[in-house]
Amino acid sequence: EIVMTQSPATLSVSPGERATLSCRASQSVSSNLAWYQQKPGQAPRLLIYGASSRATGIPARFSGSGSGTEFTLTISSLQSEDFAVYYCQQYNNWPFTFGQGTKLEIK
Amino acid sequence: QVQLVQSGAEVKKPGASVKVSCKASGYTFTSYGISWVRQAPGKGLEWMGWISAYNGNTNYAQKLQDRVTLTTDTSTSTAYMELRSLRSDDTAVYYCARDYYDGSGYYDAFEIWGQGTMVTVSS
Repeated sequence: EIVMTQSPATLSVSPGERATLSCRASQSVSSNLAWYQQKPGQAPRLLIYGASSRATGIPARFSGSGSGTEFTLTISSLQSEDFAVYYCQQYNNWPFTFGQGTKLEIK
Repeated sequence: QVQLVQSGAEVKKPGASVKVSCKASGYTFTSYGISWVRQAPGKGLEWMGWISAYNGNTNYAQKLQDRVTLTTDTSTSTAYMELRSLRSDDTAVYYCARDYYDGSGYYDAFEIWGQGTMVTVSS
């Protein structure tokens, strides 16, 4: 099973600033990686698939990069609605696996 | 619109079974796979398994494969997740989620999610 490790566990950033979240895979997942945003009491929302492609309707301030074992989600200018928990997920190998999440909080 | 609507909350005793439904609408059911993901209170996301709505092929998480069964009913566009021998640590919100299609290809990333079904296991 591929282990996905996200860092940091919590990230404190001020509105308007840039946030950079990391995700590392225990073995290569090629570009088969997705990022999700989850707010309390809600289902996750797909942001990025294929490591760098934005899902339908996702604002351009969200961008993904990386391949193999190292991935990054960047939010270029944080809006109030962006403070949430973010998860990465690999779908290169069965079983699919999620990272443990990064909580993005207001500084 | 495209949506997945899940069955309601369940309370079960340890050792019992639960079966959660996920009814799809707004798209061709057999064109997509469905995954099930659970989330224990205050915890992260855990992928449980995937089923092809086209041919019923399945893949399961190793830790659950002896206790979980995924099925579909194409006549009603409904997917089901049955979990047996319930334990207290199975208490979680259970989600169904659909594979993503971007117009040129299918991806096992999950764009459409059900609203979640809370399953509580308690004596």
